[in-house]
Formats: sequence, structure tokens, C-alpha cells
Amino acid sequence: SAVISQKPSRDICQRGTSLTIQCQVDSQVTMMFWYRQQPGQSLTLIATANQGSEATYESGFVIDKFPISRPNLTFSTLTVSNMSPEDSSIYLCSVVFWTSGGQSSYNEQFFGPGTRLTVL
Amino acid sequence: AQTVTQSQPEMSVQEAETVTLSCTYDTSESDYYLFWYKQPPSRQMILVIRQEAYKQQNATENRFSVNFQKAAKSFSLKISDSQLGDAAMYFCAYRNFGNEKLTFGTGTRLTIIP
Repeated sequence: SAVISQKPSRDICQRGTSLTIQCQVDSQVTMMFWYRQQPGQSLTLIATANQGSEATYESGFVIDKFPISRPNLTFSTLTVSNMSPEDSSIYLCSVVFWTSGGQSSYNEQFFGPGTRLTVL
Repeated sequence: AQTVTQSQPEMSVQEAETVTLSCTYDTSESDYYLFWYKQPPSRQMILVIRQEAYKQQNATENRFSVNFQKAAKSFSLKISDSQLGDAAMYFCAYRNFGNEKLTFGTGTRLTIIP
């Protein structure tokens, strides 16, 4: 399995500012994802961040608003830029890790604890 | 695009009883995976159970089991002998074979009544 930490765990920010969220994994992983979970809602994929390549953004998310860095196989950052109250959400990173369970092995996605962002 | 629907925003069950959470999905693919994730108040998403679409046998993990109906595109989660620690948001999720991106349903908040 993988142990994932995120910093900060929560923050309150002013409109128009930017916040960078860090995601650290205790093992080297190729695939990493960033999700947004708006209050009381489900998780929506923002982008895929693979080391050595540009992040791939999902429809509705753009690099200028959510720039992502992936400098190595254990670390990534997501920046929420020029924030507005609509950006208030929980932001989660996840990684894909090869897992053995029972008689099978498969890719399993592990999630970080999330960063709760409130924009005033 | 694939969609995942959870029609029960909230469910409650007495401790030690059994509860079933519903999930339906829409896809044109034949090879895919389905998952149930649990998100307790601590926010940590935890994988509860997974099902490969090519397997006819329903997955089970201790007190958790699924009823996978491929033709009906239905994937329900049964929790037996419910415990207080089962209280959480439960998300149904889908991913295509060969693609690690997950599509989540809107979630079901499960309350356990002592």
C-alpha cells in the first residue's frame, strides 16, 4: 500500500490569492491524480499528473487556474490560483499502486487525507 | 462518457442489521471495474471492495459484499452486521479497463443507529 500526506490539511484564504497544496507519497509511483470535492458533493477529477510529462486536465479545468508540478515520483503540488469562494472545496491527491490481495494483483488507487480550502 | 448514479443520498440502519446501498452506472464498455469507497468524517477515502466486470462471481470482503448485475448495470453494496465504525459517506466508482481514472457517484451518507 501507499501512505500519502497532504499539506496543508486546511486553510482559509482571501479572494484573489493563491494556495499551493503539497502531496507526498512514501513510495515511488508513476500515476498521481488531483480531485476536487465541493461541499456535500462527489469527487471530480481535476488532472492526471505523471512524472516527466505535462499534467493532463479534465474538461472544465485549465492549467492557468490549477497549475500542477510533478518534480519526482514521490511528490506533486497543485496550486489553486486567483481564488474565489467557488473554489472552496476539499482537494485530494491519489496515487495508483500495485497491490496484491488474495489470489490476485491489481492496481489500486490510494487517496491522501485531503486539504480543506475555504475562500472568503 | 461514463456516469455513476447513487439514488440514495442518505441511509440509516440499526447496529448489527444489514443495509444495502444502491448504485447504477452507464457505459458502452465491456471491460471495466467497479468500486465502493468509504469516506468517514476524517475524510480519508478507503477502498471497501472492487469488482471486475468480467467476473460473474460477486466480490466479498468480510461483512461487505456486492450484487453485480452487469446486464442491468447495477452494483449494490451490502453491509452485514453493521457496526458504528461503518458510519461514513459511501461512494460508488467506475473505471475503464486500461485507464486509471475514476468516475464517482454522488455518494450515500450512512448512519448507524446504536
